[in-house]
Amino acid sequence: AQKVTQAQTEISVVEKEDVTLDCVYETRDTTYYLFWYKQPPSGELVFLIRRNSFDEQNEISGRYSWNFQKSTSSFNFTITASQVVDSAVYFCALGLINFNKFYFGSGTKLNVKP
Amino acid sequence: GAVVSQHPSWVICKSGTSVKIECRSLDFQATTMFWYRQFPKQSLMLMATSNEGSKATYEQGVEKDKFLINHASLTLSTLTVTSAHPEDSSFYICSARDQGVTDTQYFGPGTRLTVL
Repeated sequence: AQKVTQAQTEISVVEKEDVTLDCVYETRDTTYYLFWYKQPPSGELVFLIRRNSFDEQNEISGRYSWNFQKSTSSFNFTITASQVVDSAVYFCALGLINFNKFYFGSGTKLNVKP
Repeated sequence: GAVVSQHPSWVICKSGTSVKIECRSLDFQATTMFWYRQFPKQSLMLMATSNEGSKATYEQGVEKDKFLINHASLTLSTLTVTSAHPEDSSFYICSARDQGVTDTQYFGPGTRLTVL
């Protein structure tokens, strides 16, 4: 069975703090994709990153970085020097290779206070 | 990235009426589109997978006759909520699979349905 767990329901930080959003997944498939999406109050899902299961290289994009650890089935997302505009709900998702289904975590609401 | 649009962005209707929501992939062809439902402060729940030219595949617990899906072209899928009731009020989001280089799902902006 497939499952994505985002244990942090809500996180509040002060602007310029670093924050890490946790994501743990379960799957028996050997090849899969992992995603992070941002959902601001407007509701639209914004694609942030996709990772293939065979590529464990960490990635950095500006203030965003992702740590993929296959050994612990985790795909954590770190925002460095957070800004108020980062306030949103962030979803981690697992996609099976044939893409017939996406499995979303429950989301983590990030509040960045000025 | 690829662009997916939804229309309308919000709709208010009376109980018992039917509502059609369109999902379009604007700059790529999508043989597969997906429909999700999101209740307030909850995650996205997959309702059905829409395949161009064939019947949609519904998730367990989703009523096929209630939520009619049509995927008549490679750029358009429609979701019709038939005989809507207040409990159908929700945020409906579609996504389209771009099987090009990225092979990624791109999401539409969502449609907020309120049934009075």
